[in-house]
Amino acid sequence: GQQVMQIPQYQHVQEGEDFTTYCNSSTTLSNIQWYKQRPGGHPVFLIQLVKSGEVKKQKRLTFQFGEAKKNSSLHITATQTTDVGTYFCAGRYFGNEKLTFGTGTRLTIIP
Amino acid sequence: NAGVTQTPKFQVLKTGQSMTLQCAQDMNHNSMYWYRQDPGMGLRLIYYSASEGTTDKGEVPNGYNVSRLNKREFSLRLESAAPSQTSVYFCASRRLDRGTEAFFGQGTRLTVV
Repeated sequence: GQQVMQIPQYQHVQEGEDFTTYCNSSTTLSNIQWYKQRPGGHPVFLIQLVKSGEVKKQKRLTFQFGEAKKNSSLHITATQTTDVGTYFCAGRYFGNEKLTFGTGTRLTIIP
Repeated sequence: NAGVTQTPKFQVLKTGQSMTLQCAQDMNHNSMYWYRQDPGMGLRLIYYSASEGTTDKGEVPNGYNVSRLNKREFSLRLESAAPSQTSVYFCASRRLDRGTEAFFGQGTRLTVV
């Protein structure tokens, strides 16, 4: 079936360290989106990647889409306490409108 | 501009009781979705509606029914609640033609005892 795997499940980092989460699909994706969910909140859209090999940046966040459009990563440079939350990737496959979410990576920051 | 509104925010049910979770969006979006979120499981799709008048099953539809009442509203019904349905439920909507971001409601925290 169409599944998006995400690792790691948890990540604890010292403030100022970098953080990366990875998503992988066994099937080629049409596009992939990234969301952030603060503790107790709801998912909020960060970005969408569509093209093979695409790289996008938002301040300290760098998003990549693999050449085969089967994997993606989110990298945060020099984490801050405001980065705390769970980061989800969400893949869309060709031919349907479903958004298939990864299991998420929960980021905690040690001050 | 409210976005996506879910009601109720919290609910406790006894096993076997029924209830309907309501969701409404005011962004004129075509697609609407119901997800459940459980620890370590991420967001799992229960049902979705690509457009008014259509509904399709997601990954975990058993025990649920949905109604796309009109373009704005998409409800989720639990006919006979079970403890395994204890979860946080999120409704989301999206503009189909742009394939853009999903907007989520605040969530409903449901406990079945």
